[in-house]
Amino acid sequence: QKEVEQNSGPLSVPEGAIASLNCTYSDRGSQSFFWYRQYSGKSPELIMFIYSNGDKEDGRFTAQLNKASQYVSLLIRDSQPSDSATYLCAVNPGGFKTIFGAGTRLFVKA
Amino acid sequence: DAMVIQNPRYQVTQFGKPVTLSCSQTLNHNVMYWYQQKSSQAPKLLFHYYDKDFNNEADTPDNFQSRRPNTSFCFLDIRSPGLGDAAMYLCATSNQGADDGYTFGSGTRLTVV
Repeated sequence: QKEVEQNSGPLSVPEGAIASLNCTYSDRGSQSFFWYRQYSGKSPELIMFIYSNGDKEDGRFTAQLNKASQYVSLLIRDSQPSDSATYLCAVNPGGFKTIFGAGTRLFVKA
Repeated sequence: DAMVIQNPRYQVTQFGKPVTLSCSQTLNHNVMYWYQQKSSQAPKLLFHYYDKDFNNEADTPDNFQSRRPNTSFCFLDIRSPGLGDAAMYLCATSNQGADDGYTFGSGTRLTVV
């Protein structure tokens, strides 16, 4: 069974701090990795994708991938109350299917 | 703006009464997906279409069916909804494979009474 595991949280950080979200996956052959943001009652929105080991930065967001450890993380710098949401880690093990984790709830305190 | 549109946004149906959810897209993406997401759970893939090629997940109940009459539209039919089918139903699209991620519609929240 191919799985994506995340800590459900909630992760609470003060405004302006760095939020660090983590994810592990079971299929070692996976090639594409994604982070989606999902506000309560809304659909997921793609915020980052990464294919290669290392870091990928986009504005306040940095995705980190370590394929040897089967580990993906998302850093959010200068966290804002509007970043409060559930963050879904997702993995494409190949083909058309993407497997999602259950998400980590992030709460940014003003 | 190019987008994925789901209708209705909220659907209430009676136990056992067939219901159809719709999804349309203006992105001209080849692949359309239906996911089911229950509260605090991961979205679960039900099936996907690559063009007209239908692909059902092995654990998708027979109660769930799908139609894609053309590139732009895809429907989810639930033949006899049970209380356990109450969930958010998410339509997503991707171009060719899923390497660049999905574009999701706004979702349909299904309530079964």
